[in-house]
Amino acid sequence: ETGVTQTPRHLVMGMTNKKSLKCEQHLGHNAMYWYKQSAKKPLELMFVYNFKEQTENNSVPSRFSPECPNSSHLFLHLHTLQPEDSALYLCASSQVAGGPDTQYFGPGTRLTVL
Amino acid sequence: GQNIDQPTEMTATEGAIVQINCTYQTSGFNGLFWYQQHAGEAPTFLSYNVLDGLEEKGRFSSFLSRSKGYSYLLLKELQMKDSASYLCAVRGVRGGGADGPTFGKGTHLIIQP
Repeated sequence: ETGVTQTPRHLVMGMTNKKSLKCEQHLGHNAMYWYKQSAKKPLELMFVYNFKEQTENNSVPSRFSPECPNSSHLFLHLHTLQPEDSALYLCASSQVAGGPDTQYFGPGTRLTVL
Repeated sequence: GQNIDQPTEMTATEGAIVQINCTYQTSGFNGLFWYQQHAGEAPTFLSYNVLDGLEEKGRFSSFLSRSKGYSYLLLKELQMKDSASYLCAVRGVRGGGADGPTFGKGTHLIIQP
């Protein structure tokens, strides 16, 4: 495996379900990011982790809970989501956060909340 | 706050040249990125500017004017595969902490034969 991988690629869940999105990077980077991409809207930065420490939370509702056990893995735990949370969730990594380094994106998880 | 504007959609002809503009207002400035995103795929890096001027990379060039809060992406010798969304992203400086870039809505570029 190379680059940034995300699983699952597609997820359909009810509003009462609990699920988790997984992201793994094989680039030796130290920063990882979660973004939300909705139709007709810009990519919205949700969370930033730098060296496993959360450095940014862009006023994301508590029904989204990130976890970064090490620099290579990032999770997004989901519970009691709303239909408006349906979107493409993209994970990205870079060498360090806040620097000029390029972000490498994973293929995304297409989430549908019923 | 941070605000990034770029046209929603542009159309160009195969073999021609197109310029996609991006204007921004941010809390500080620490670099501007351009990404390409094909439908259903992840964004991929195209260019990075932090100093004023033109950066050329093959058929793609990117220009930055920090005093004007302005950048453009220039695509030459357009090919059908260049049909995609082009995302402008700016890294600002907030509170001195680690920062993720802010993205514009993207410009959907349509290449016609």
